[in-house]
Amino acid sequence: AQSVTQLGSHVSVSEGALVLLRCNYSSSVPPYLFWYVQYPNQGLQLLLKYTSAATLVKGINGFEAEFKKSETSFHLTKPSAHMSDAAEYFCAVRGRSGGSYIPTFGRGTSLIVHP
Amino acid sequence: DTEVTQTPKHLVMGMTNKKSLKCEQHMGHRAMYWYKQKAKKPPELMFVYSYEKLSINESVPSRFSPECPNSSLLNLHLHALQPEDSALYLCASSPRDSPQETQYFGPGTRLLVL
Repeated sequence: AQSVTQLGSHVSVSEGALVLLRCNYSSSVPPYLFWYVQYPNQGLQLLLKYTSAATLVKGINGFEAEFKKSETSFHLTKPSAHMSDAAEYFCAVRGRSGGSYIPTFGRGTSLIVHP
Repeated sequence: DTEVTQTPKHLVMGMTNKKSLKCEQHMGHRAMYWYKQKAKKPPELMFVYSYEKLSINESVPSRFSPECPNSSLLNLHLHALQPEDSALYLCASSPRDSPQETQYFGPGTRLLVL
């Protein structure tokens, strides 16, 4: 079974500082990995995804993530945090279960941005 | 049209009521999903429909009954719910049920069961 682990339920940064949200995966096959963001009282929005085309993936809103097979990691970064980045971030992997591809989400990391 | 819509936005119901949640997409997606999300938790998958057929039921109680009348519409019928069923219910769709496809989420219906 595939799974992801998000390290840190909360990350606090100052506006303008580097954002680093950690995600490690467990998979016996090449994984498909996703980062989603959820703003309060909204659904999830895709930030970026890894589908084996390139190890450095650029997403929306200035976010990027690097797939590192040797470290089984897919950490999310942004060079300079904005107040508007404050939200819940979920890492996810899709694995086969029965006849379908089930996404498995990490527990989420709440990003807090201080002025 | 690149969005998933859900109605209603909010719903309050008693334990004896029957209500339905509605989800719609017009992106031509053939996979649709229902999730339940409690506060400060990740979404939990409930059901997966692929080409209008139910392909996954994640051991969801029978008081939740999904329906996919056509490729654009997904319903979740609710009956005799419990207070612990209060949550945000999210619908999502993707072009196909395949691992690299992006899921597009609706804004959710916030359900309160009294």
